[in-house]
Amino acid sequence: AQTVTQSQPEMSVQEAETVTLSCTYDTSENNYYLFWYKQPPSRQMILVIRQEAYKQQNATENRFSVNFQKAAKSFSLKISDSQLGDTAMYFCAFIKAAGNKLTFGGGTRVLVKP
Amino acid sequence: ETGVTQSPTHLIKTRGQQVTLRCSSQSGHNTVSWYQQALGQGPQFIFQYYREEENGRGNFPPRFSGLQFPNYSSELNVNALELDDSALYLCASSLGGILNYEQYFGPGTRLTVT
Repeated sequence: AQTVTQSQPEMSVQEAETVTLSCTYDTSENNYYLFWYKQPPSRQMILVIRQEAYKQQNATENRFSVNFQKAAKSFSLKISDSQLGDTAMYFCAFIKAAGNKLTFGGGTRVLVKP
Repeated sequence: ETGVTQSPTHLIKTRGQQVTLRCSSQSGHNTVSWYQQALGQGPQFIFQYYREEENGRGNFPPRFSGLQFPNYSSELNVNALELDDSALYLCASSLGGILNYEQYFGPGTRLTVT
């Protein structure tokens, strides 16, 4: 069974600064996908970024980038130039290739302060 | 392109009652997954439906059941409600098969059991 761990319950950051969220996972699979989802108070789970395990290059989506360390089973998210709209819960998630279920971490609450 | 929709937005039930939650998948998607998100936690996989058949189930008792219809919309039914069933219920749709990793979430249904 896969497990996903987010060790930071809450992070705060000043607007325009950078914050990094940590995620570690445990799996015996070799082919899988990792995700960061954002869940604002509206509750909608929004995909922020995706990383394929077979790709060595770290994924980037505008102000969001990841540091994927496959051997260490680590998958951190960096939010650059933080904006007030980034305030939300962030969840790290795992799914094995051709799998049917996402396994989520417990979440990290990010508060962006003006 | 129509996104994932869920109904109702929220509801309140009494312990022992039964409830049905509904989900309409994103246009073109044939797979629906259901997740339970307790307050302050990450979502937990309940089950998935692919082309009207159950395609995997998480660690939930049989009183959690589901259906998928020919138009790929889905229902989650919970019998004999317990207080611990109070949670946000999320559905997610995807293309299934090797593209199952890309799951798009609806806004959720908040269920309160009193």
